Amino acid sequence: EDQVTQSPEALRLQEGESSSLNCSYTVSGLRGLFWYRQDPGKGPEFLFTLYSAGEEKEKERLKATLTKKESFLHITAPKPEDSATYLCAVSSNDYKLSFGAGTTVTVRA
Amino acid sequence: GAGVSQSPSNKVTEKGKDVELRCDPISGHTALYWYRQSLGQGLEFLIYFQGNSAPDKSGLPSDRFSAERTGGSVSTLTIQRTQQEDSAVYLCASSPFPRVSREQYFGPGTRLTVT
Repeated sequence: EDQVTQSPEALRLQEGESSSLNCSYTVSGLRGLFWYRQDPGKGPEFLFTLYSAGEEKEKERLKATLTKKESFLHITAPKPEDSATYLCAVSSNDYKLSFGAGTTVTVRA
Repeated sequence: GAGVSQSPSNKVTEKGKDVELRCDPISGHTALYWYRQSLGQGLEFLIYFQGNSAPDKSGLPSDRFSAERTGGSVSTLTIQRTQQEDSAVYLCASSPFPRVSREQYFGPGTRLTVT
């Protein structure tokens, strides 16, 4: 059974204070690792898919990296609008995602 | 364009009653997913529809849960004889791609409270 563990559960940052979120996973044959952003009262919004160790993807202040056991989401010089819950998920087949519980990021101005 | 819509946005029901949750996917999206999000837990896969293929129901937690998709578009998730542990946010997602490696587009969810 695929398992995903995210840490920390919550992260409070000052505006401009860079940090990283961790996603550790166990999966029988990784088809993809996914990062989503979720704002309160809304559904998750897709950010990235990573397929193999060593792969990196960037979007604005976010950068996702992948190793054989974990993924990191780096937030560089965050702004208050980056406050959200960030969800990590893995898939070992073509359609089923297994999600972690998420990291709630709060960025103070 | 219009995104995935879900109704109702909130539903409060008494234990033992049946509820129906509706999902309107983005037009033309062939893949449709239902997830459940409980407080402090990750999204839990419930069911997957792809075109006219038989759905994958392996995530449904009990036989009280069922779902259908009519005409390859609108989907309804039905929970019979609701229990307090069914309280959660139920999220629907759709995708134009059959494989999950591409992004899914989520609706805002239905918050179900069973009293």
